[in-house]
Amino acid sequence: AQTVTQSQPEMSVQEAETVTLSCTYDTSENNYYLFWYKQPPSRQMILVIRQEAYKQQNATENRFSVNFQKAAKSFSLKISDSQLGDTAMYFCALIFYGQNFVFGPGTRLSVLP
Amino acid sequence: AAGVIQSPRHLIKEKRETATLKCYPIPRHDTVYWYQQGPGQDPQFLISFYEKMQSDKGSIPDRFSAQQFSDYHSELNMSSLELGDSALYFCASSLEGVAGNEQFFGPGTRLTVL
Repeated sequence: AQTVTQSQPEMSVQEAETVTLSCTYDTSENNYYLFWYKQPPSRQMILVIRQEAYKQQNATENRFSVNFQKAAKSFSLKISDSQLGDTAMYFCALIFYGQNFVFGPGTRLSVLP
Repeated sequence: AAGVIQSPRHLIKEKRETATLKCYPIPRHDTVYWYQQGPGQDPQFLISFYEKMQSDKGSIPDRFSAQQFSDYHSELNMSSLELGDSALYFCASSLEGVAGNEQFFGPGTRLTVL
């Protein structure tokens, strides 16, 4: 069975500072995708960043970057220059092609002014 | 603990046919969300319902409609199916005002349009 763990239920960060959200997962599969999704109060799931498991290079997307450690099954998200609009629930998710998502329980991030 | 139930788990249809997907939320959850995920694509939010009323709308085609019933289960109706509708459709449920409206996702319905 595949599992995704996010050990930080809540986090806060001051505006303009950097924060790292942790995610670990467990799977016996070799080909999969990892995602970080943001869920703002609108409740829509917004893709933040994705990582293909076969790629060794860590994905980056503007202020967002990941530290993907495949052997350790770790996939942390770093948010630089935090903005008030980053306040949201963040879900780490694991997916195999054509199969259902396995999401972590989420981390609620609050960016403080 | 009871989870979100979706039925059917797999569905194969021909082009121009109709399909109905069902979602049964976690007991006492009052909000249901539908997402569509194409092969290798990001899940796209389609629509959500809170207390049987549409609460938010995303990229749902006009050919699709959905509703939430008095027992809070939801159905996604898809007409004039196209090949591009082949995707994984999953729903999620949450309870308003509890645990930050954390969404619990169902296992998904895999729709294949031939």
